[in-house]
Amino acid sequence: NAGVMQNPRHLVRRRGQEARLRCSPMKGHSHVYWYRQLPEEGLKFMVYLQKENIIDESGMPKERFSAEFPKEGPSILRIQQVVRGDSAAYFCASSPSTGGAASYEQYFGPGTRLTVT
Amino acid sequence: SQELEQSPQSLIVQEGKNLTINCTSSKTLYGLYWYKQKYGEGLIFLMMLQKGGEEKSHEKITAKLDEKKQQSSLHITASQPSHAGIYLCGADLTGGGNKLTFGTGTQLKVEL
Repeated sequence: NAGVMQNPRHLVRRRGQEARLRCSPMKGHSHVYWYRQLPEEGLKFMVYLQKENIIDESGMPKERFSAEFPKEGPSILRIQQVVRGDSAAYFCASSPSTGGAASYEQYFGPGTRLTVT
Repeated sequence: SQELEQSPQSLIVQEGKNLTINCTSSKTLYGLYWYKQKYGEGLIFLMMLQKGGEEKSHEKITAKLDEKKQQSSLHITASQPSHAGIYLCGADLTGGGNKLTFGTGTQLKVEL
């Protein structure tokens, strides 16, 4: 069973460009979470999605950031008009929807390291 | 101040020694997660604890959630170089089970 997949692993963008980060959850998982790890800071929750629904986006910046998890395909975190402060590692996690304690276990992908020049 | 504090921030131990990492919350812990991260890589899930007094073990790593559910400890017995890395505690502080708050991590080095 493959783990959580993220691509690209490294992404370089110039200021003002758009960044698209992809996340494929583990097989059988329908819950996806995005976290951001800024340099010298801890992991911060951004958004929680289920298929075709945003459940909790309380950690998302109000502007330029959006996330989706379509019925088919990976979850996408999109950052428009990137700025240097967006440089960070972006991690995706997934959890199963089977109910019970296991449904709360979040498994993380390897992350996408975004560098804005 | 941080909602979740980890101590120590860093730790250097000799191979074969035992060690403990603590994670203390200012709020009730509805779920407490331990992860290991190697520099520049993703997080490896170690354990999840939910009930006060719960204790889980995996190989030489044991984690416990205290009765009052505001502190957890991670104990490694007979440390090995493979244990080196950054240990992160993550917590569900809302009861929703979905949004995790993380501590700043404990960097562990194991010397031969």
